[in-house]
Amino acid sequence: KQEVTQIPAALSVPEGENLVLNCSFTDSAIYNLQWFRQDPGKGLTSLLLIQSSQREQTSGRLNASLDKSSGRSTLYIAASQPGDSATYLCAVMRAGTASKLTFGTGTRLQVTL
Amino acid sequence: EPEVTQTPSHQVTQMGQEVILRCVPISNHLYFYWYRQILGQKVEFLVSFYNNEISEKSEIFDDQFSVERPDGSNFTLKIRSTKLEDSAMYFCASKLEKLFFGSGTQLSVL
Repeated sequence: KQEVTQIPAALSVPEGENLVLNCSFTDSAIYNLQWFRQDPGKGLTSLLLIQSSQREQTSGRLNASLDKSSGRSTLYIAASQPGDSATYLCAVMRAGTASKLTFGTGTRLQVTL
Repeated sequence: EPEVTQTPSHQVTQMGQEVILRCVPISNHLYFYWYRQILGQKVEFLVSFYNNEISEKSEIFDDQFSVERPDGSNFTLKIRSTKLEDSAMYFCASKLEKLFFGSGTQLSVL
């Protein structure tokens, strides 16, 4: 059974800092991995999708890496801003066209002025 | 950008009542899902739907739950007899490749 773990559970940084969020998963037979952002009481916004054959994806100040063999992914946020404050969720999809996503517990990020 | 639309945003019901949560997936997507998130817990998979049938369901998705795609645009989740522990945020999602989530329906069972 796939287990997804995210550390740290919570993180507070001053504005402008670069930061790294970590995600690990137990079963490396994945189809892809997605990073999501969740604002309080809101839905999930997809940030980055990495296919199992890829090593990383970039979008603006965000960079996500994937090391499938070791079961790890990182989300790097450059030059953090207060608007980045949210919960960041990592989720993996196992091989199979309509397979479910298994989510981690998330990292709650607060960027302070 | 196209989006997944869910209605209502909030639903309050009495224990034992039936509820129907509604979703309009993105029009050219082929795979449809329901997930839920109990307050303070992980987002959990409930069911996936493809080609007009359930392709996978979790152990949470028991006989009290059903899904339907009654026409070409809507995708519904029905809970026949709600329990207190069904209180959660319910998310609909659809995909071609990347999964897109709706903004959720907050269900409160009293």
